[in-house]
Amino acid sequence: AQKVTQAQTEISVVEKEDVTLDCVYETRDTTYYLFWYKQPPSGELVFLIRRNSFDEQNEISGRYSWNFQKSTSSFNFTITASQVVDSAVYFCALSEANYGQNFVFGPGTRLSVLP
Amino acid sequence: DTGVSQDPRHKITKRGQNVTFRCDPISEHNRLYWYRQTLGQGPEFLTYFQNEAQLEKSRLLSDRFSAERPKGSFSTLEIQRTEQGDSAMYLCASSTRQTPEAFFGQGTRLTVV
Repeated sequence: AQKVTQAQTEISVVEKEDVTLDCVYETRDTTYYLFWYKQPPSGELVFLIRRNSFDEQNEISGRYSWNFQKSTSSFNFTITASQVVDSAVYFCALSEANYGQNFVFGPGTRLSVLP
Repeated sequence: DTGVSQDPRHKITKRGQNVTFRCDPISEHNRLYWYRQTLGQGPEFLTYFQNEAQLEKSRLLSDRFSAERPKGSFSTLEIQRTEQGDSAMYLCASSTRQTPEAFFGQGTRLTVV
């Protein structure tokens, strides 16, 4: 069965600190997709990134970077030089290509960036 | 294209009443999803459409919940005989096979009193 675990319930950092959000997943499929979403206080889920299971190349986008490691079933998200606007709940999600199309979300990590 | 649109944004209803929510996906997105989110939790899958066909339905979805997507365009989610436990944010999302990431609407917040 598919499962996503985000062990960190809440994280608080001071502005300009780096912070890493952990995500560990379980899947029965050989082809799957991993995602990160941001949910700011306004409530709308905002798509950040998708990773395909066959592409382990790490990615950097501005202050955001993602580390995908199949060997440990992890897909961690790092924010460099955090800003107050990064304060939100961040969700990791998994979708299996061959066992249905629904997305399974982790419980989320609430990030608070203090000025 | 204005993204996924949901209506209404907020709904307050008395226990026992029926409610219906509407979702308009991103045009040309053939996949449509309904999720439910309660406070402090991640979104929980309810059902999935590919075009007009409802292909997946969560086992958690009781018989009081029904969803439709006539003609493969907009979708409706109806809850009959609402209960207080139905109070939640109901989220709609859409995607395509080529771009499997789901784009979410702003949600409909349901409060059952």
